[in-house]
Amino acid sequence: EPEVTQTPSHQVTQMGQEVILRCVPISNHLYFYWYRQILGQKVEFLVSFYNNEISEKSEIFDDQFSVERPDGSNFTLKIRSTKLEDSAMYFCASSDGSLTKNIQYFGAGTRLSVL
Amino acid sequence: SQKIEQNSEALNIQEGKTATLTCNYTNYSPAYLQWYRQDPGRGPVFLLLIRENEKEKRKERLKVTFDTTLKQSLFHITASQPADSATYLCALGEYSSASKIIFGSGTRLSIRP
Repeated sequence: EPEVTQTPSHQVTQMGQEVILRCVPISNHLYFYWYRQILGQKVEFLVSFYNNEISEKSEIFDDQFSVERPDGSNFTLKIRSTKLEDSAMYFCASSDGSLTKNIQYFGAGTRLSVL
Repeated sequence: SQKIEQNSEALNIQEGKTATLTCNYTNYSPAYLQWYRQDPGRGPVFLLLIRENEKEKRKERLKVTFDTTLKQSLFHITASQPADSATYLCALGEYSSASKIIFGSGTRLSIRP
């Protein structure tokens, strides 16, 4: 069964450094997403991406964050100048573009630890 | 303010009983509501979707209801098993923000043998 893959599974970085989290969505999907889950808290929407541009973003997704689809398969989240409070699980998801259902298929996540 | 609340942070029930989880929302106009399962350290996995004009959906041992008057969805697992132990998340999507879904905080369900 097709799945969303994320790398790395765990990323450790120093405060102030930049990180890039990588995702390979399901191949025929059209919408791509990033979510964040701080330990013990709820899954929070960050951004949706369609047709090579941001479709929607939350108030969390400020200038510190950016997304890119550099080629036909990868979808990346870049976090500039990381802060301690950026430590969280980051999930990538994709959907087939049927917005009346918008069923999300999630990857296993990248645990980001900012020291 | 907008809220999605799942009634209890944790629910413990005995194997074989029916688990009922509640999701209430405030100041949203959902086009649909979804339920996901999340195991520790893993991403959510989609289970069921119910649209605003539907009252009930079923899939195997799972049933979800949707009451737009009460602004509530109920999620039932019948004949519960220890393997059903996980966190269950409700999520909704609105027509006004078609590509975005908003999650509740989840209910951690434990089924004891």
